[in-house]
Amino acid sequence: QVQVVQSGAEVKKPGASVKVSCKASGYTSTTSYMHWVRQAPGQGLEWMGMINLSGGGTTYAQKFQGRVTMTRDTSTSTIYLEVSSLRGEDTAVYFCAGGSEWSPFAFWGQGTLVTVSS
Amino acid sequence: DIVLTQFPDSLAVSLGDRATINCKSSQSVLYSSNNKNYLAWYQQKPGQPPKLLIYWASTRESGVPDRFSGSGSGTDFTLTISSLQAEDVAVYYCQQYYSNPRTFGQGTKVEIK
Repeated sequence: QVQVVQSGAEVKKPGASVKVSCKASGYTSTTSYMHWVRQAPGQGLEWMGMINLSGGGTTYAQKFQGRVTMTRDTSTSTIYLEVSSLRGEDTAVYFCAGGSEWSPFAFWGQGTLVTVSS
Repeated sequence: DIVLTQFPDSLAVSLGDRATINCKSSQSVLYSSNNKNYLAWYQQKPGQPPKLLIYWASTRESGVPDRFSGSGSGTDFTLTISSLQAEDVAVYYCQQYYSNPRTFGQGTKVEIK
């Protein structure tokens, strides 16, 4: 049984950065990648990028290149998403989700609400 | 980028009736070397993360009721709920995992008539 726990809600001012964490346990060796997906209020799902859990290699959606950093800490089975230069449009629930490289997202975190407001 | 277009955007179905959601891809998500369609369906209820229902276009995830089924190949896909139950009220998304960026359809809201 995979358990995924994300960090709590954040409120940030425009221009600031936020770092969200996602701790997963109980997954098998088939889980080699973790992804970040966000959902603005009342909107659909938007993929932000993915990180290889063993090597740490990342792939980002072009929209987020230069503003997003995904990292992992293998000692604590935790991955991190940092978003810089926040603006109002970044207000969303941020989900982590896991799977293998070319697979659907078999499990998801509960989501972290990030609110960007002055 | 692969664009997924779902239709309808919403539908209202009577309890026990069939619900059908379509997903059209801007390019094929069928990988010829293994003959698999890299297409999944998710269910999302309010305040919850999405839940994987179907992958490889037609394989039901473990624990998903058999009233949910997926079909289609290449660029055209369908999610069918054979007999709608109250607990199926949700938004449903298709997703392609054929190429990066991974993309989702805009979602279809299913309600009870």
